[in-house]
Amino acid sequence: NAGVTQTPKFQVLKTGQSMTLQCAQDMNHEYMSWYRQDPGMGLRLIHYSVGAGITDQGEVPNGYNVSRSTTEDFPLRLLSAAPSQTSVYFCASSHRGRSTDTQYFGPGTRLTVL
Amino acid sequence: GNSVTQMEGPVTLSEEAFLTINCTYTATGYPSLFWYVQYPGEGLQLLLKATKADDKGSNKGFEATYRKETTSFHLEKGSVQVSDSAVYFCALGSGGTSYGKLTFGQGTILTVHP
Repeated sequence: NAGVTQTPKFQVLKTGQSMTLQCAQDMNHEYMSWYRQDPGMGLRLIHYSVGAGITDQGEVPNGYNVSRSTTEDFPLRLLSAAPSQTSVYFCASSHRGRSTDTQYFGPGTRLTVL
Repeated sequence: GNSVTQMEGPVTLSEEAFLTINCTYTATGYPSLFWYVQYPGEGLQLLLKATKADDKGSNKGFEATYRKETTSFHLEKGSVQVSDSAVYFCALGSGGTSYGKLTFGQGTILTVHP
């Protein structure tokens, strides 16, 4: 199993540009989520999904869109990038998303918005 | 709301020293508690977890006990190695319908010198 994969590893955008961060998992996990990691702030939840066709907002959803058309994929879209979105983005998945379930993280995408 | 507070870092130790990283939490109900570790350039991976009061999680020589009376989940290791150098995150998983909504502490950077 490859686990959770993310592409690209690094990305530089100009303010106002759009892009999609890709996330895929091959563990048949129902639950997937996106976090951003900023210095001194730990990880904060952006959006999550409890299954194909079902998504919901996390703690910091503004400026991001998601969709879940398949169990395997959960892309994160930045519609109009802003410097405040400079961060490291992690995708995670777990079996059913219960509070006791272990979440498995991808290697991250480091995004810089100029 | 839920919150997690970790001791401020960074922490610098010599090899074979004793490690403690403090973690306290605020939550309603009966959360699950986790320690995740992030090695340089990688994503987060689960180190250990505890899902109910008085449970002890352990892995790779690390231990943490879920103390409901003090709302704590301190991470300990009796003898650290250079390879333990990483960022350590304490996290709380809320139950009920809050699927997979992990709340993270800010992270503690550990550096171990030979």
